[in-house]
Amino acid sequence: QVQLVESGGGVVQPGRSLRLSCAASGFTFSSSGMHWVRQAPGKGLEWVAVISYDGSDKYYADSVKGRFTISRDNSKKKLYLQMNSLRAEDTAVYYCAKEGDDYYFDYWGLGTLVTVSS
Amino acid sequence: EIVLTQSPATLSLSPGERATLSCRASQSVSTYLAWYQQKPGQAPRLLICDASKRATGIPARFSGSGSGTDFTLTISSLEPEDFAVYYCQQRTHWLFGGGTKVEIK
Repeated sequence: QVQLVESGGGVVQPGRSLRLSCAASGFTFSSSGMHWVRQAPGKGLEWVAVISYDGSDKYYADSVKGRFTISRDNSKKKLYLQMNSLRAEDTAVYYCAKEGDDYYFDYWGLGTLVTVSS
Repeated sequence: EIVLTQSPATLSLSPGERATLSCRASQSVSTYLAWYQQKPGQAPRLLICDASKRATGIPARFSGSGSGTDFTLTISSLEPEDFAVYYCQQRTHWLFGGGTKVEIK
């Protein structure tokens, strides 16, 4: 069965960096677009970034453009989110999500919590 | 940027009642719209894609309709496990609406 497991969250000071990982299994990772979506405490879902199946195309939400970088390693079946210059407003649960054949998010991980605080 | 506006923010209903949730787009998204359900402490789950197609394993009491800018998610008869937050999402730029919470009256 499809599994997505995020890791790398934690407490970090404003201005510092953090790298999130998402380990995928149960599907052909190298054939699927992948996304990061975040959810601030008590708030709604916010799409963060997408990477195409081969890593050639990447798009970002305006709120993270220039600070966050999405990447993937198909040989390891892993998705990454490098987060630099973190701000308090980046505090959220970060989910990785698999893109289905119809481009919607058919599988999600359980999320990893990032807290940006001094 | 296409903005999705969901209404109402909260819907208070009893089990067995019909729930009607709305999602309005700031410009046409054709039928490229999905609905997700999220329960507390859980990841979202895909319910409906392309406005009206139920995702795998989703019960028939969930139905979606609409095209262009106006969309509706209907739960024909609420089960206890349906009380949750529901989000719409447009496919082109992956943006989500603000959500509708369906709570027990």
